[in-house]
Amino acid sequence: GENVEQHPSTLSVQEGDSAVIKCTYSDSASNYFPWYKQELGKGPQLIIDIRSNVGEKKDQRIAVTLNKTAKHFSLHITETQPEDSAVYFCAASDSGGGADGLTFGKGTHLIIQP
Amino acid sequence: DAGVTQSPTHLIKTRGQQVTLRCSPKSGHDTVSWYQQALGQGPQFIFQYYEEEERQRGNFPDRFSGHQFPNYSSELNVNALLLGDSALYLCASSPSRTGGDDFGQGTRLTVV
Repeated sequence: GENVEQHPSTLSVQEGDSAVIKCTYSDSASNYFPWYKQELGKGPQLIIDIRSNVGEKKDQRIAVTLNKTAKHFSLHITETQPEDSAVYFCAASDSGGGADGLTFGKGTHLIIQP
Repeated sequence: DAGVTQSPTHLIKTRGQQVTLRCSPKSGHDTVSWYQQALGQGPQFIFQYYEEEERQRGNFPDRFSGHQFPNYSSELNVNALLLGDSALYLCASSPSRTGGDDFGQGTRLTVV
């Protein structure tokens, strides 16, 4: 089955700087890659997703890049703000839309230092 | 517009007991998936329901079972609870198995 590795496990950046979280996956059939933000005591919140026919996607301060050849994808957050502090999860699915369930990474605890 | 709602929010059970967790999907969504999230880990896929049938299943034993009702709401049942079943159980919904899952707040299950 699919295996998703996520790095780093903890990332501390100064407010205003950029943050990058990287994930690799093992199943070349995977073609849907969402990113979730989870705050303490809450469920994961979808922040951005990308499908295999796209190499990059942006939404304001957030961007995701996908390299299918190398089987890795990354989350980029620019101009970080205190409210960006949370745990971020990457995930992968081979159904083209999450129909087979998502395989998650272990998460990155992002800390924004004021 | 209510998102995904789960009940109860917290639950304490004794080893060997059975538990039922409930989920109402976001309005307009007909697909419900269940995940187990252990402390400090990412969510793990348990199974998915669509059109009242289990469509996909992760690597979980038969003690974990579910149901989906005609109104798309769903239940997760766990029998013969083990201490290791203690976790946050998350329900996610999406429209017609197309991804973009919305998650609920979860049910925190503690087995003692």
